[in-house]
Amino acid sequence: KAGVTQTPRYLIKTRGQQVTLSCSPISGHRSVSWYQQTPGQGLQFLFEYFSETQRNKGNFPGRFSGRQFSNSRSEMNVSTLELGDSALYLCASSRVAGRHPEAQYFGPGTRLLVL
Amino acid sequence: QKEVEQDPGPLSVPEGAIVSLNCTYSNSAFQYFMWYRQYSRKGPELLMYTYSSGNKEDGRFTAQVDKSSKYISLFIRDSQPSDSATYLCAMSPLTGDNYGQNFVFGPGTRLSVLP
Repeated sequence: KAGVTQTPRYLIKTRGQQVTLSCSPISGHRSVSWYQQTPGQGLQFLFEYFSETQRNKGNFPGRFSGRQFSNSRSEMNVSTLELGDSALYLCASSRVAGRHPEAQYFGPGTRLLVL
Repeated sequence: QKEVEQDPGPLSVPEGAIVSLNCTYSNSAFQYFMWYRQYSRKGPELLMYTYSSGNKEDGRFTAQVDKSSKYISLFIRDSQPSDSATYLCAMSPLTGDNYGQNFVFGPGTRLSVLP
């Protein structure tokens, strides 16, 4: 069974640009969560989508947004990029909502560098 | 003070050593404790989780929780070079169906097991 896939794996952008990251969950999984991982702050929750609806949102500015499609694939978008947005963006999928850790599988991440 | 503190390392040990990885926390509401392993260029994978104080063993891994001291540990016995990774602790106040929303992760400890 294929795992969680994220594209692109690496991305370089400049300040002020916007970026869209994609996540394809494991087949049959309907919940997708997004996280930002940085050396200073560690892993921080961005938002969770289940059946095309945002269920939960972390404490990030409105520049960070996401959506989920009917096939459960998800995208996240960051507008007006700042240097501090440089991070590894991780997507995790699970069959159920609520991000139960026993059932959540992470993708390899997209490493974003903002110059 | 951050809610969850973790020594970032790096920690280098010889093969076969017993490794102790530790996290301290300040929020007494945390009830659910997890350890993740993250290999380079991969997403985190759940290693162990526990709800209660005391020890939980799984093969070479033992998770220990001391709620009175707000201190958790992961012990790795007979460490192998394949254990070289970053280890993240995470915890949650376990609030009903949405407890997954409130995960707080430590920044991670990078471990190298030398052959």
